[in-house]
Amino acid sequence: DSGVTQTPKHLITATGQRVTLRCSPRSGDLSVYWYQQSLDQGLQFLIQYYNGEERAKGNILERFSAQQFPDLHSELNLSSLELGDSALYFCASSVGAGGGIETQYFGPGTRLLVL
Amino acid sequence: TQLLEQSPQFLSIQEGENLTVYCNSSSVFSSLQWYRQEPGEGPVLLVTVVTGGEVKKLKRLTFQFGDARKDSSLHITAAQPGDTGLYLCATSPRGSYIPTFGRGTSLIVHP
Repeated sequence: DSGVTQTPKHLITATGQRVTLRCSPRSGDLSVYWYQQSLDQGLQFLIQYYNGEERAKGNILERFSAQQFPDLHSELNLSSLELGDSALYFCASSVGAGGGIETQYFGPGTRLLVL
Repeated sequence: TQLLEQSPQFLSIQEGENLTVYCNSSSVFSSLQWYRQEPGEGPVLLVTVVTGGEVKKLKRLTFQFGDARKDSSLHITAAQPGDTGLYLCATSPRGSYIPTFGRGTSLIVHP
């Protein structure tokens, strides 16, 4: 158990819909990262928040948005869903602001299926 | 073009065999990490290497960072079914905080 929790574990929805994925970091960790993992693209970094502020941005679509709240939990909002958004979404957390040698602790993921 | 190229993509071996997987790039890195992801789980950090030529051992796993810090290898001795999983290498390009992962090597160890 990494100490990072994600809800829900599974999500099935229809195209055009909007969903919210939730992540609680390990106690004491200030950074939260969001990733998308699919068979054809591998593990892709979406966005990072550090202590409530956006720290780094990857290949996140405009239909996707995220935020980190004062209690440090984070939410990833996916809207106007398309079939291609079906994937595993992981949240990870780390103590500091990030960088090459910082350990990231991953949650168990949310499996999203868009029908 | 992937920043980190991992090979082989898939590996299926019998228990007790040795294997090596590779992570290569044309870029120089200040550090590189190896993660293992078991089916249905998130990746778990195995090791971080930071010095060119560095070798780190974790039980039956040996990690090496290339002298030029452009490549790394992971060698598993006497593989066991519990080693089954997706092995990912990761880094952040210089001057960036963006974590970048390779596509991974999917390893299956048969009893």
